[in-house]
Amino acid sequence: DGGITQSPKYLFRKEGQNVTLSCEQNLNHDAMYWYRQDPGQGLRLIYYSQIVNDFQKGDIAEGYSVSREKKESFPLTVTSAQKNPTAFYLCASSIPMVFGGPYNEQFFGPGTRLTVL
Amino acid sequence: AQSVTQLGSHVSVSEGALVLLRCNYSSSVPPYLFWYVQYPNQGLQLLLKYTTGATLVKGINGFEAEFKKSETSFHLTKPSAHMSDAAEYFCAGDNQGGKLIFGQGTELSVKP
Repeated sequence: DGGITQSPKYLFRKEGQNVTLSCEQNLNHDAMYWYRQDPGQGLRLIYYSQIVNDFQKGDIAEGYSVSREKKESFPLTVTSAQKNPTAFYLCASSIPMVFGGPYNEQFFGPGTRLTVL
Repeated sequence: AQSVTQLGSHVSVSEGALVLLRCNYSSSVPPYLFWYVQYPNQGLQLLLKYTTGATLVKGINGFEAEFKKSETSFHLTKPSAHMSDAAEYFCAGDNQGGKLIFGQGTELSVKP
């Protein structure tokens, strides 16, 4: 079955440590996204990538970094510069319009809940 | 600025009652609109989408939404709420710039 996997489901880290969240998709989608979700604040876009080896900052990129070396993978690193990293992180993918997608319907992974102690 | 607004962060209904979740979009957002549902500690699942054609869109789990251009609205409805409908619901619009614009979400509670 095609889909998006995020691992791990729950992640605990000590303050000041970098941590990398995994996102893998086998939907053959070109575009991938990272969102942060906090209670009462909806989804906020961290980074997105429409093609391999290219990515753009979203609305809240400070303290985060990404790479897109493979079409299937879009890992997110939460660095020690992120002042409040405890949150629920969601990864998504889509076929962007620039590659023939009619509209940007995004498919989501199950999420990773990061808690910084 | 392009925006999607959901009216009401929390909605509570009784089981069997009508569910109405409101969503308005700014006229600058192209008319590609989506409703997603999120159950606790899970990702988002697509309920339904409006792209072109019929303005009344039917989705999964008995939900439907009507695109009203004159009102810039895309409200989500279900005739009879079930306990399993309790979740958070997000309205989103495609800005055709590579990103979806999400509303703030509406948490639906269903009382027995």
